[in-house]
Amino acid sequence: NAGVTQTPKFQVLKTGQSMTLQCAQDMNHNSMYWYRQDPGMGLRLIYYSASEGTTDKGEVPNGYNVSRLNKREFSLRLESAAPSQTSVYFCASTRGTGYQPQHFGDGTRLSIL
Amino acid sequence: DAKTTQPPSMDCAEGRAANLPCNHSTISGNEYVYWYRQIHSQGPQYIIHGLKNNETNEMASLIITEDRKSSTLILPHATLRDTAVYYCIVRVVGNNFNKFYFGSGTKLNVKP
Repeated sequence: NAGVTQTPKFQVLKTGQSMTLQCAQDMNHNSMYWYRQDPGMGLRLIYYSASEGTTDKGEVPNGYNVSRLNKREFSLRLESAAPSQTSVYFCASTRGTGYQPQHFGDGTRLSIL
Repeated sequence: DAKTTQPPSMDCAEGRAANLPCNHSTISGNEYVYWYRQIHSQGPQYIIHGLKNNETNEMASLIITEDRKSSTLILPHATLRDTAVYYCIVRVVGNNFNKFYFGSGTKLNVKP
């Protein structure tokens, strides 16, 4: 059972480079989310997709874009990476109906020099 | 604005019950409370959720006050493997949106 799969697991970028973080889920979930977690802090929502074809901003969307490619996949793009975006990025999904919990991936650890 | 507030850390002796508090004084009537934990920066792991009734599963119990302004997660017999950061979360659901608001978490240290 794969659940939520994130790639890559680790990445180092230089300031100004671009990068896309990939997320895929195999649970037929409708809603998908991207969070960032800075050292010693909780998770903050970047963007989410309540259902296929829709995306909305979360608490900290500046500097990011997202694409809900299909029901399974939700990608996060950094167009011009900045050191302030050094963080651990988590993708999550949930059925979206009722009150089923979120399922999380293992995270992508991103360092920007 | 944070929807939940939690103490930054707590200690618990192995084998004893761990009681983790959470304040969510601005919660609305249809907003659920969820608890997750995170071990060693892995992806958060779901524990339990509830609306207004107390809930219990194989991992923990959730006690929600009658006014719903606070809740307590209870791990009945804490083990060393329960050492983790525990997050109290409010879920807000509306027309085509479905958001989870994480607090800053409580670091639970289970000691032998």
